[in-house]
Amino acid sequence: DGGITQSPKYLFRKEGQNVTLSCEQNLNHDAMYWYRQDPGQGLRLIYYSQIVNDFQKGDIAEGYSVSREKKESFPLTVTSAQKNPTAFYLCASSQAGTEYEQYFGPGTRLTVT
Amino acid sequence: QKEVEQNSGPLSVPEGAIASLNCTYSDRVSQSFFWYRQYSGKSPELIMSIYSNGDKEDGRFTAQLNKASQYVSLLIRDSQPSDSATYLCAVEESTLTFGKGTMLLVSP
Repeated sequence: DGGITQSPKYLFRKEGQNVTLSCEQNLNHDAMYWYRQDPGQGLRLIYYSQIVNDFQKGDIAEGYSVSREKKESFPLTVTSAQKNPTAFYLCASSQAGTEYEQYFGPGTRLTVT
Repeated sequence: QKEVEQNSGPLSVPEGAIASLNCTYSDRVSQSFFWYRQYSGKSPELIMSIYSNGDKEDGRFTAQLNKASQYVSLLIRDSQPSDSATYLCAVEESTLTFGKGTMLLVSP
């Protein structure tokens, strides 16, 4: 898991509620990423940020929002607009110049009922 | 449409054998290729990266890349029960695109 922390490990929410997932890294990495993983599926990119105060949508950004106010932190908000929010959410980071060599945090398993 | 294809498995091998995991990708301009290991319920762990054609060895692991055939593979020599996991292939295609993974089962 390196120097990437995600909290909490398990999260339960009622449908219609927004929820924010935390991701912090102390690796001094410039880039950070959010993926979701569903059973039997590959990782799908939600949002990524290559520099503070800037971020880009990934393949499945609808229903999610992010912020990057500090280099170390990249929180993800799952909004009530996300149709199927129950999933395993993974945060990753990478060093500038090696953006594709990504290291993952331990993940947050979100269940929405 | 970016695609990274892997056989879902499971691939079953006896302890001590060579496990061969394969991956094909669709984007001809991809330059960076990665293998991640993911234990059940855990996050992916980067185990190999390869950037040029040929073989790259790291301990019991060998990554092989053939850009002309758009094919990357991972060989695990002297497989151990602790190698039992899902192996994800990831390919740089503007962003990193992951395959769905191949489950490897190593029996004692």
